[in-house]
Amino acid sequence: QQQVKQSPQSLIVQKGGISIINCAYENTAFDYFPWYQQFPGKGPALLIAIRPDVSEKKEGRFTISFNKSAKQFSLHIMDSQPGDSATYFCAASKNSGYALNFGKGTSLLVTP
Amino acid sequence: DTAVSQTPKYLVTQMGNDKSIKCEQNLGHDTMYWYKQDSKKFLKIMFSYNNKELIINETVPNRFSPKSPDKAHLNLHINSLELGDSAVYFCASSLAGQGVNEQFFGPGTRLTVL
Repeated sequence: QQQVKQSPQSLIVQKGGISIINCAYENTAFDYFPWYQQFPGKGPALLIAIRPDVSEKKEGRFTISFNKSAKQFSLHIMDSQPGDSATYFCAASKNSGYALNFGKGTSLLVTP
Repeated sequence: DTAVSQTPKYLVTQMGNDKSIKCEQNLGHDTMYWYKQDSKKFLKIMFSYNNKELIINETVPNRFSPKSPDKAHLNLHINSLELGDSAVYFCASSLAGQGVNEQFFGPGTRLTVL
């Protein structure tokens, strides 16, 4: 069964706007929550990740917000750019060495 | 200086054939994985493997088998290919015991079964 649920399936944002993608998980054993970015014809690339001991992590224009009690986490892309147009995947796993459980992906289009 | 490489990038073959996809990582990682991405872009784990343990996703048909000649390589063998095997296959690697599970993905192999 789907262990990580992701929404929305697709998102259109104007240049300069904020893109927000949400994910929810069920397994409380998960303790690593990464976001991957994938461009057409390429492999997924790690964008940013968070552990459940913090509620927020920011790297440049990308921020993860994490709500442990609600078992939800989200990706915020500030000042979205056309070059950010890609598919974004949230994932969750137990500690290192375990398989990633991916959400179904969000196709982001940033219009000029 | 590619971190995780896969060959071939494209593979077109007939139903019933046997094929292999190769994966190599030069990151010094000790754990490698195979993921399948279907036509709807859903990524699903097939195998994870380190030098101690092979973990197989129970939904993977036994026609698929990983083979690791050494820590830097994890090849995927597929027997008796079926139409439903058409997908993009990604190899990934990570270093266990680091407190995080950063996995680095290869460029993918697009398999088309005719």
